[in-house]
This record gives sequence, C-alpha cells and structure tokens, in this order.
Amino acid sequence: AQRVTQPEKLLSVFKGAPVELKCNYSYSGSPELFWYVQYSRQRLQLLLRHISRESIKGFTADLNKGETSFHLKKPFAQEEDSAMYYCALKGNYKLTFGKGTLLTVNP
Amino acid sequence: EAGVAQSPRYKIIEKRQSVAFWCNPISGHATLYWYQQILGQGPKLLIQFQNNGVVDDSQLPKDRFSAERLKGVDSTLKIQPAKLEDSAVYLCASSQPGGGGAYEQYFGPGTRLTVT
Repeated sequence: AQRVTQPEKLLSVFKGAPVELKCNYSYSGSPELFWYVQYSRQRLQLLLRHISRESIKGFTADLNKGETSFHLKKPFAQEEDSAMYYCALKGNYKLTFGKGTLLTVNP
Repeated sequence: EAGVAQSPRYKIIEKRQSVAFWCNPISGHATLYWYQQILGQGPKLLIQFQNNGVVDDSQLPKDRFSAERLKGVDSTLKIQPAKLEDSAVYLCASSQPGGGGAYEQYFGPGTRLTVT
C-alpha cells in the first residue's frame, strides 16, 4: 500500500521567513514524488516533481529515501505563496495525495 | 490551450437521488482521472481511464458509482443513489500517457456536490 503523510494541517509564517512543508511517504517500490498547489479560487496544479530536480517559484524539494521524506522548502516566503499544498506519490500508475497543508504567509 | 472543463460547478441533491458529472479533458490527453475530495482531505482517485479503457477503479464504490468514457474523450461520472457521505468535490484531471516516467495531471475546477 502507498501512503502520504503531511503532519501539519496549518502552517503560518511571516513574509521573508523560511518555510518548510513536511511530507513523509510509505511505498515499497521506487517512488515518484510531487508537490501540487492550489491557490485561492484556482485549480489544483503541479508545483514540482522530484525527478526534474528543478526550483519553481523559489521552492525546492529533495527526496530522502532513507527518511522516506520529500519536504518542500523555500528560504524566503512571500505573501503570494499562501495556498494549500499537497504532497503526492505516484506508485502503481496511481497518484496518492496527502491531506494537504494550508500555508499562510503573513505580511 | 484550453484547460479541463467540468460541469456542473455546483450541485445540491437529496439522499437517494441520482446525479451525473461531466468532464472534457485537454485535447489529445489520453488519460483521464476522476477524484473525490472530501473536505479536509486530499483528492482520492476513483477511476482512471486510458483512452476508453479502465486502468484502475479499485477505489470506486461500484454499487453506486459508475463512470464511462465511451469515445475516449469526454467522460461522465454518475452516483445512484447518493448518500450523505458522497458530499465532496469531484475533480476531473487529464494527462498525456505516462511513458514510464513522471507525468503532470491537469485538473479541472471541480464539481461541488452537497447531499442533504
């Protein structure tokens, strides 16, 4: 079975502060991990995927197979980063989502 | 490019009634997904189509839910009869075939269903 855990339902930081959204997974095979984001009144959309190892909007995420984690990080949060963030795992051709973390960046 | 379209955007029905949702994926996307998102949870895959064939429907409650994609393009998801616990947002998504690697799913705006 595949499972994704996002331990924080809510995360509040001030503008300019570092932010880390935690994601842990459980999967017996070789995982593919993603972060999806949903801004207010917008559709769910892909933020980044671990395979491409890219930085999107200043966010990065490193897959740590030893700790089975894929935490999302940004050194300096911006107000426009306020959104719902979902970690997702692709296994057996199926995408499994965590419950999400609501990030609020305060001015 | 036009995004994934869904209708209706909102629906309120009484329990034991029937309801149907429609999805039009991005042109050329062979893979189509239906997700159920209950308040406070992440999206849960109900069914995945590759063209007009079902790839995965292991989490679809088949006693009341059905879905089809007859011509490999549009899709409908039906609930009959609805229960209170079916209240959720139903998301449709589409993607190119996986090709063995990571792929991006494009999501529609969702249909918010309220069962009273």
